[in-house]
Amino acid sequence: DQQVKQNSPSLSVQEGRISILNCDYTNSMFDYFLWYKKYPAEGPTFLISISSIKDKNEDGRFTVFLNKSAKHLSLHIVPSQPGDSAVYFCAASPGTYKYIFGTGTRLKVLA
Amino acid sequence: DGGITQSPKYLFRKEGQNVTLSCEQNLNHDAMYWYRQDPGQGLRLIYYSQIVNDFQKGDIAEGYSVSREKKESFPLTVTSAQKNPTAFYLCASSRATGWQQPQHFGDGTRLSIL
Repeated sequence: DQQVKQNSPSLSVQEGRISILNCDYTNSMFDYFLWYKKYPAEGPTFLISISSIKDKNEDGRFTVFLNKSAKHLSLHIVPSQPGDSAVYFCAASPGTYKYIFGTGTRLKVLA
Repeated sequence: DGGITQSPKYLFRKEGQNVTLSCEQNLNHDAMYWYRQDPGQGLRLIYYSQIVNDFQKGDIAEGYSVSREKKESFPLTVTSAQKNPTAFYLCASSRATGWQQPQHFGDGTRLSIL
């Protein structure tokens, strides 16, 4: 039973355009959400997070949107750059030690 | 330069052997975690530790053991009881468990069975 789902295993976007990565969750107890970026043979790197009391958080080219009623999270990257090509994981926590990770979306930014 | 160091990067195990994966952090973080990643799957929690000399089982602890004798170190032993140990293992740390603290990850150890 996957509580955090990333239904798109891969996404290709032209350089300079917007990348939108999506994540759905089922547990309404989740109150903290994160996005990580992972290059091959490296550990995930924390990108951006959002608390359930907010619906948007922005950091430079990265914006995370949270729609609690739809239990949906998205990451927008604008503009997309070739260096953004990586696997992106969303994760959620119910305010405890436990972070539930999605299966990842592989983003390819085409030059 | 603060961070998390996992060693070795690649590890091979013979059938029936125990192997230990190292994880060291110099971030002064209280909490440390071990995850396993399999192809096409998300990260699954094996063990975590909130403070020295204390640790808790995660979702897939069977066949694994850990120790937390020092704040900066959290080694993971993959025992012979773990029937499917081939995977990518990630260690992480955070300032404290739970409330809105991102985890910082090492670069992982890939374990394979000979």
